[in-house]
Amino acid sequence: DARVTQTPRHKVTEMGQEVTMRCQPILGHNTVFWYRQTMMQGLELLAYFRNRAPLDDSGMPKDRFSAEMPDATLATLKIQPSEPRDSAVYFCASGLVQGFGNTIYFGEGSWLTVV
Amino acid sequence: DAKTTQPPSMDCAEGRAANLPCNHSTISGNEYVYWYRQIHSQGPQYIIHGLKNNETNEMASLIITEDRKSSTLILPHATLRDTAVYYCIVRGFNTNAGKSTFGDGTTLTVKP
Repeated sequence: DARVTQTPRHKVTEMGQEVTMRCQPILGHNTVFWYRQTMMQGLELLAYFRNRAPLDDSGMPKDRFSAEMPDATLATLKIQPSEPRDSAVYFCASGLVQGFGNTIYFGEGSWLTVV
Repeated sequence: DAKTTQPPSMDCAEGRAANLPCNHSTISGNEYVYWYRQIHSQGPQYIIHGLKNNETNEMASLIITEDRKSSTLILPHATLRDTAVYYCIVRGFNTNAGKSTFGDGTTLTVKP
């Protein structure tokens, strides 16, 4: 059963530390999304890639966040330096975008706590 | 992508049909309606999608009005495990194709 895999599942870190979250999209999918979810803001789109190229990262704080796809099987979201307000669940999702309409599938999330 | 409006919460008795409405009055011709749900502590799960015809799969049915300005997700026999937040989103294609914005969704509580 194909699924999006995210690591780590849980992370507690101190303010100022670098945090890297990783995502393995479903094999064959050409689009990868990063979302953040908090109680206050709900589910927010941070960035997304098509064929490994960044298409839109307007939802991402540029000063401390960065997202990359080193290869087709790995997407990374990095926070440096981390702050307590970054505490949230970070979801990766992937989909095969062809023509109109597409279905995206989510991973189980990386639960980040910055203290 | 078109904006959607959903009621914040709904209750349903176990075993009965749950009908979750969604308004998307600004939907354009090439935009699909997608439904996802999120059970507590899990990632959002795809349920169903459609363009203009009604759709059914093993999880649910999707009824889209003829003018496509609203839709209803139907869970025919709700169980306690269907308690979740249900998101209706509209997704289309442009230069930045595939971008999806989730609203606040409807919290469905299935009661024994």
